[in-house]
Amino acid sequence: GENVEQHPSTLSVQEGDSAVIKCTYSDSASNYFPWYKQELGKGPQLIIDIRSNVGEKKDQRIAVTLNKTAKHFSLHITETQPEDSAVYFCAALNDYKLSFGAGTTVTVRA
Amino acid sequence: EAGVAQSPRYKIIEKRQSVAFWCNPISGHATLYWYQQILGQGPKLLIQFQNNGVVDDSQLPKDRFSAERLKGVDSTLKIQPAKLEDSAVYLCASSLKGTYNEQFFGPGTRLTVL
Repeated sequence: GENVEQHPSTLSVQEGDSAVIKCTYSDSASNYFPWYKQELGKGPQLIIDIRSNVGEKKDQRIAVTLNKTAKHFSLHITETQPEDSAVYFCAALNDYKLSFGAGTTVTVRA
Repeated sequence: EAGVAQSPRYKIIEKRQSVAFWCNPISGHATLYWYQQILGQGPKLLIQFQNNGVVDDSQLPKDRFSAERLKGVDSTLKIQPAKLEDSAVYLCASSLKGTYNEQFFGPGTRLTVL
């Protein structure tokens, strides 16, 4: 099955700075890569996704890049705000099944 | 639009007892998922339904876990008997049609097995 590794496990940034989270996947057949944000006591919520035929996608302060050759993808958050503090999960879809990374706890310092 | 509903929100049981969780997906969503999220880890898929048929249950410990989705709407997940290692948050999610559509998650049920 698919194995998704996510780094770092924790990330502390100053408000206004950028945050970058990186993930690698093992199966080259994976073709859909969503990112989820999970706040305390809530279920994960989709924030952005990318398909394997696209190299980069941006939505306001959030962007995702995909390198199929290296089998890694990254989440970039610019101009971080306190409400960006949460746990972020990357995931990869393979054989109709979504496999998640272990998560990154992002803390934005005021 | 109402979100995915789950109940109960919290449950504490002794090992070897049984427990059941309930999920009501977003209206019209054909695909329903149950995930197990152990503290400090990402969600792990237990079972996926398309309408009321099982698409994938390869990671469901079938000796103790069972799930059903009657009439292609609500779903229940049961654990019998529970073990200490079953302590986790059980998340239900639904999507309009298949895994390429956005999955909407419920708030989860936090299970503690003592």
